[in-house]
Amino acid sequence: QVQLVQSGGEVREPGASVKLSCKASGYTFTGYGITWVRQAPGQGLEWMAWISTYNGKTHYAQKLQGRVTVTTDTSATTAYMELRSLRSDDSAVYFCARDLFWGADGGYVFDYWGPGALVTVSS
Amino acid sequence: EIVLTQSPATLSLSPGERATLSCRASQSISNYLAWYQQKPGQAPRLLIYDASKRATGIPARFSGSGSGTDFTLTISSLEPEDFAVYYCQQRSSWPLTFGGGTKVEIK
Repeated sequence: QVQLVQSGGEVREPGASVKLSCKASGYTFTGYGITWVRQAPGQGLEWMAWISTYNGKTHYAQKLQGRVTVTTDTSATTAYMELRSLRSDDSAVYFCARDLFWGADGGYVFDYWGPGALVTVSS
Repeated sequence: EIVLTQSPATLSLSPGERATLSCRASQSISNYLAWYQQKPGQAPRLLIYDASKRATGIPARFSGSGSGTDFTLTISSLEPEDFAVYYCQQRSSWPLTFGGGTKVEIK
């Protein structure tokens, strides 16, 4: 069965970086893109980034451009999201999710989600 | 950036009642709209994609309609497990965007 297992919660000081992982199993990793979505406490969903696991093509939310990088390690069937220069308003639960559609360009609708990882930014 | 506006923010209904949720896009997105359900402490769950197609395993009481800029998610008869927050998401253009959510609460 399809599973996305995320790394645990992290606590960082303002200005630091965090790198989260999303280990996929139960399907052909390079067949489906991966996206990252975050949710601040009590708030809605915010799309952050998407990566093609087939060719590494990426798309980023403009407000995060320059601070966020998504990568994959296909041999480990794992996706990563690094967020730099952390601020207090980056405190959120970070989800990874898999494209619904097979293919290099996904489809950008997400059917399987990881459980989320809480990142707390505090001094 | 395409802005998705969901209404109402909160919907207070009783089990068995019909729920009608709205999502309006700031520009035409054809039928490239999805709906997700999220319960507290859980990841979102895909319900509907491409405006009207039910995802695998989603009960028939959930239906979606619309195209262009106006979309509707209908829950024909609310079950106790349907009380949750619902989000719409567009995949028409980058950046992907979500609506602000509609909370369906028990009246």
